[in-house]
Amino acid sequence: DGGITQSPKYLFRKEGQNVTLSCEQNLNHDAMYWYRQDPGQGLRLIYYSQIVNDFQKGDIAEGYSVSREKKESFPLTVTSAQKNPTAFYLCASSIAGTGYPDGYTFGSGTRLTVV
Amino acid sequence: AQSVTQLGSHVSVSEGALVLLRCNYSSSVPPYLFWYVQYPNQGLQLLLKYTTGATLVKGINGFEAEFKKSETSFHLTKPSAHMSDAAEYFCAVSPQGGKLIFGQGTELSVKP
Repeated sequence: DGGITQSPKYLFRKEGQNVTLSCEQNLNHDAMYWYRQDPGQGLRLIYYSQIVNDFQKGDIAEGYSVSREKKESFPLTVTSAQKNPTAFYLCASSIAGTGYPDGYTFGSGTRLTVV
Repeated sequence: AQSVTQLGSHVSVSEGALVLLRCNYSSSVPPYLFWYVQYPNQGLQLLLKYTTGATLVKGINGFEAEFKKSETSFHLTKPSAHMSDAAEYFCAVSPQGGKLIFGQGTELSVKP
C-alpha cells in the first residue's frame, strides 16, 4: 500500500547537535511538506517542496534545513541554531498543480526531545 | 489572506450526545474543504472533504459536514459520540491553486 513513512518515531537530541528526520513516500506525489506541532499551536509550516531540487521556506524555517534530491524523499535537519526544537514533526505529501482536491497525506510523525 | 477559524479549542460532550465542531473560512471563491482527525502521537487522517457537488458530505466513522457558502462554514457533526472519537480535529481549506491552510484544531473529549 502507498503511504508516507517517517522515522524514527522518537528521537532524542543533545544540546548543540544536528539531527535529521526522515520522510519517504511511495505515492508518486510531487509535493512534500514539513510541519511542526506544539501543544495548542496547531500546525506550523517549516518547509515545502513542489518539485525535485527545489524547496521554499514556510512560516518557521529558521534553524531548519531540507533537501529534495529524490521525488520520494524529503529529509528535515534540525540544526543547533533551532533554540527550542522539542516538538512533534509531521511530514505530508500531495499532488501538485491547480488545486489540491485530495488534500494532503500525512506520515505518523516524529517526536523530537532535547535532553 | 485566506484564513480558517475553528471555534473552540476544546469541546467536551457526553457519550451518545451530538458532536458539533465549528469551522469558518475566509475566501473570495469557494475553496476545497477538509476535516482531519489526529489521535495522540499520530499523524493526521482525512475524515472527509468537499470539492464540488453535494454540499453535505459524509466521511469515515459516522462524521459528516455541510458546506454553507452563504455562511462560509464547514461544520463537522456526528449524531452520537463514542469514546473512540476523542481526538484532535483540524479543519483545512485549499483555495483553488493554493496550499492547504489549517485551523488551530479542536480537541474533542468524550465523557462516559
